[in-house]
Amino acid sequence: GAVVSQHPSRVICKSGTSVKIECRSLDFQATTMFWYRQFPKQSLMLMATSNEGSKATYEQGVEKDKFLINHASLTLSTLTVTSAHPEDSSFYICSARAEYTGELFFGEGSRLTVL
Amino acid sequence: AQSVTQLDSQVPVFEEAPVELRCNYSSSVSVYLFWYVQYPNQGLQLLLKYLSGSTLVKGINGFEAEFNKSQTSFHLRKPSVHISDTAEYFCAVSDQGETSYDKVIFGPGTSLSVIP
Repeated sequence: GAVVSQHPSRVICKSGTSVKIECRSLDFQATTMFWYRQFPKQSLMLMATSNEGSKATYEQGVEKDKFLINHASLTLSTLTVTSAHPEDSSFYICSARAEYTGELFFGEGSRLTVL
Repeated sequence: AQSVTQLDSQVPVFEEAPVELRCNYSSSVSVYLFWYVQYPNQGLQLLLKYLSGSTLVKGINGFEAEFNKSQTSFHLRKPSVHISDTAEYFCAVSDQGETSYDKVIFGPGTSLSVIP
């Protein structure tokens, strides 16, 4: 089946640094990818919709200067958490929409811990 | 805008007993509906989805769900649970966009605990 890969799966960083998380569709093209954030014991909150070749669409309340999204190719979207703080610690999950079938596939998630 | 409600935050059930996890949604347009399972510290796995056609949808691991448009519900059921079914279950909805799936919105989740 279709696979979406996220890297890194776990990352620990110091407060004030920036962290980049990659989301790759391994065997299909995805013009649209979605980024979610999940706090412990909670549901997934949609952060933004990433469109290849254009600016991301952010959900209300999500700081676009804090969470930079780049969808540079049909198989790669990146989420950069800038000047990370402990409150940014979370589980970040991406999903990619297959170009021809429209089906959604989720990555395994990336756990960010900011010290 | 669509929303999803999962009334039961935690559901304990004995092994080999049946289980139903409830899901209700609201949307002003036609929707696609999904159930996902998440094991600890892992990503999401699709259990089943309703796109169109038969309202009874069968998924993996013996799960099934029934779409009820009049009650705006999409409850998940399994006739006999196993210990390995212990996990978090999320109901999700997506408006039927112009290009198949629009953004997917998740419910708060139901924690299923199977008791030996």
